[in-house]
Amino acid sequence: NAGVTQTPKFRILKIGQSMTLQCTQDMNHNYMYWYRQDPGMGLKLIYYSVGAGITDKGEVPNGYNVSRSTTEDFPLRLELAAPSQTSVYFCASSPVVGRFNTEAFFGQGTRLTVV
Amino acid sequence: KQEVTQIPAALSVPEGENLVLNCSFTDSAIYNLQWFRQDPGKGLTSLLLIQSSQREQTSGRLNASLDKSSGRSTLYIAASQPGDSATYLCAVPGGGADGLTFGKGTHLIIQP
Repeated sequence: NAGVTQTPKFRILKIGQSMTLQCTQDMNHNYMYWYRQDPGMGLKLIYYSVGAGITDKGEVPNGYNVSRSTTEDFPLRLELAAPSQTSVYFCASSPVVGRFNTEAFFGQGTRLTVV
Repeated sequence: KQEVTQIPAALSVPEGENLVLNCSFTDSAIYNLQWFRQDPGKGLTSLLLIQSSQREQTSGRLNASLDKSSGRSTLYIAASQPGDSATYLCAVPGGGADGLTFGKGTHLIIQP
């Protein structure tokens, strides 16, 4: 059972380039999330999904797009990369949220540098 | 908007000490609170999840308490070891499906 898998682990982009961060979970979780972590700032929610075909914006969605065509996959797309998007990106999943919330599971992260 | 604060931001103690990490949140209408550990350059590992109906949750040398009415949680680490050195994060659900709100973490160093 691999849990939440993110690829790549590291990437350097030039300003204006685009890329897709991949996230796959094999736990059949309905809820999936993308966060970014900046030094000293904690994690901020970018986008989330409550199931295949359903996505919604989080706290910091500008400059990003997501899709959820299957339960397992939740890719994050960066268009026209900017230095402000230099960060560590984490994907997470959870089987249930709300009153019966269970723990969230996180991937190992993707460290992105935009130069 | 939910805000989560963790005190202290950093802590360095000798091996063997018992220590307490603090987490406070502004909106007490939470279903649960989760403590995570993050090692340098790594992802987040869930340590403990406390449901709103619980007051304490224990795992090995870790004990987490939750006081919803005062908006506080503490993580108690007994007999600290150098391997406990990491950043500890607490997080609460934002409500519905909109993810977790995190504190900025406590960076813990246990000196051998």
